[in-house]
Amino acid sequence: GQNIDQPTEMTATEGAIVQINCTYQTSGFNGLFWYQQHAGEAPTFLSYNVLDGLEEKGRFSSFLSRSKGYSYLLLKELQMKDSASYLCAVFDSNYQLIWGAGTKLIIKP
Amino acid sequence: DAMVIQNPRYQVTQFGKPVTLSCSQTLNHNVMYWYQQKSSQAPKLLFHYYDKDFNNEADTPDNFQSRRPNTSFCFLDIRSPGLGDAAMYLCATSRVGGPTDTQYFGPGTRLTVL
Repeated sequence: GQNIDQPTEMTATEGAIVQINCTYQTSGFNGLFWYQQHAGEAPTFLSYNVLDGLEEKGRFSSFLSRSKGYSYLLLKELQMKDSASYLCAVFDSNYQLIWGAGTKLIIKP
Repeated sequence: DAMVIQNPRYQVTQFGKPVTLSCSQTLNHNVMYWYQQKSSQAPKLLFHYYDKDFNNEADTPDNFQSRRPNTSFCFLDIRSPGLGDAAMYLCATSRVGGPTDTQYFGPGTRLTVL
């Protein structure tokens, strides 16, 4: 079967750095997305990786290792507004988007 | 601004009473998706349209139907809502549905079934 694994919940301190991991087992791979979802709101696009390596975009970076079926989202200089769920999603060989359940990130002052 | 709009944002219906959720987009995207998302769970794809071509997920209950009368609009019809259908319903669009295609989401409609 197809599976995306992420930690259910993480806690971090304002101003710190946090890394949210995602591992996947899918039938084929055509790219990995990270979305941010605030409580009661729709997911918003953060990043897309299809090649191995690190993609940096401001305070957020996303890393991919296709051989390991592994990605992480790195958030630097955490702000209170970063409190949200972070969803990992993978495009499989049929271009179906397989979603993880999300990691709820709690930021403490 | 180009966007994905969902109405209403909050919908309350009674058990068994049909309800329709609407989605519109000004992005002129070819693909439109309907997802169901329950609390702390991943979004679950119900169906999607590639232009007028309807694609139903195998495990989407018959109770859920969809219509796309034109490029801009898509509707989700729940024929006989049950308590288990209470969820956030998300509409999303993408340009062509390919592997590098980002999906853009509307704000969602939260459905309550009494």
